[in-house]
Amino acid sequence: DAKTTQPTSMDCAEGRAANLPCNHSTISGNEYVYWYRQIHSQGPQYIIHGLKNNETNEMASLIITEDRKSSTLILPHATLRDTAVYYCIVRAYSGGGADGLTFGKGTHLIIQP
Amino acid sequence: DSGVTQTPKHLITATGQRVTLRCSPRSGDLSVYWYQQSLDQGLQFLIHYYNGEERAKGNILERFSAQQFPDLHSELNLSSLELGDSALYFCASSVAIGTNTIYFGEGSWLTVV
Repeated sequence: DAKTTQPTSMDCAEGRAANLPCNHSTISGNEYVYWYRQIHSQGPQYIIHGLKNNETNEMASLIITEDRKSSTLILPHATLRDTAVYYCIVRAYSGGGADGLTFGKGTHLIIQP
Repeated sequence: DSGVTQTPKHLITATGQRVTLRCSPRSGDLSVYWYQQSLDQGLQFLIHYYNGEERAKGNILERFSAQQFPDLHSELNLSSLELGDSALYFCASSVAIGTNTIYFGEGSWLTVV
């Protein structure tokens, strides 16, 4: 699976949009981009994933650049409960993926009141 | 609630002992993954089972073993425990392998004293 690079930490004001960047310049054509978050010592929580099109669900939006070398997770109206470590993970399409998810260090997002 | 159930939630045991952690995957999920998260390491993949068969091994020590039973629940056995084995152990499940979304349980806190 391709390696990802994320900022170590970020701050965002409550009520504002939180934009979390991820660089995955070595991503392959068959690799998806997944985002998870982990609120202190809880189980990682799935947020969203995509291949090349932008995706939106009730939690967030995922914007993937046209060359697929980077992406941005957007939390539209951040709340204090969104304070967590956010992990950007690239994962191969079927045929691989037996290892599940490879977690890096993620971005510690702190929502400020 | 992800639908993945882990027991026990907390466990304290002495060095040299053996413990078993149990995981019930989400209904219908055939894949079970085990992860370890200690203070100084991130989330480390240990092992993956699919429909009762071992599919992939990560950084799992020889003192650790796992299995998945016909009813699809899984157990992680940790033996000859050392202080360094103190960690959060997460179980996760997905429908199959490949890019099916993986959902995590809330973890089992193991403290070795």
